[in-house]
Amino acid sequence: KQEVTQIPAALSVPEGENLVLNCSFTDSAIYNLQWFRQDPGKGLTSLLLIQSSQREQTSGRLNASLDKSSGRSTLYIAASQPGDSATYLCAVTPWRTSYDKVIFGPGTSLSVIP
Amino acid sequence: EAQVTQNPRYLITVTGKKLTVTCSQNMNHEYMSWYRQDPGLGLRQIYYSMNVEVTDKGDVPEGYKVSRKEKRNFPLILESPSPNQTSLYFCASSLLAGGKNEQFFGPGTRLTVL
Repeated sequence: KQEVTQIPAALSVPEGENLVLNCSFTDSAIYNLQWFRQDPGKGLTSLLLIQSSQREQTSGRLNASLDKSSGRSTLYIAASQPGDSATYLCAVTPWRTSYDKVIFGPGTSLSVIP
Repeated sequence: EAQVTQNPRYLITVTGKKLTVTCSQNMNHEYMSWYRQDPGLGLRQIYYSMNVEVTDKGDVPEGYKVSRKEKRNFPLILESPSPNQTSLYFCASSLLAGGKNEQFFGPGTRLTVL
């Protein structure tokens, strides 16, 4: 059974610092991996989607990498800003015919201190 | 504006009183899904729908019902709510099957069952 974990559970950094969030999954047979951002009291916003054939995706100050063989993905945030404070979740889609399920990690709560 | 809407955003009810949480998307997406989010347990899928009149159980379907009579709407029904259904609920949609494409999430419905 696919399980997704995220370390650390919470992270506090000073503004301007570069940081890395980690996501691990137990079964390397995945279709893709997504990173989401969740602000308090709000829904999830998709940040990056990496297909299983890709190694990384970039959007602005965000870079996500995928290493299927080791069951790991990282989200790199450059030059962090207070507005980056949120909970970041990763989610994987297991490789199978229907692709109907998305399994989420528990999230990392990020606080960027001005 | 492309969006997923949910109503109500907040609901306090009593055990056994039937309720419906509505979900609507304006992006002509085929796939819709309901999740609940609980502290320490993360996001768990309740039900999903691949298209009109096609629904299936997720990981935690007990105590819930859904219907998909129109492409844009996917209501979540609690026939006899219980306190263990107190949670934050999210509706999501994507163009195709849940993991193939970027998922768009609604703002969430915070439900309290007394």
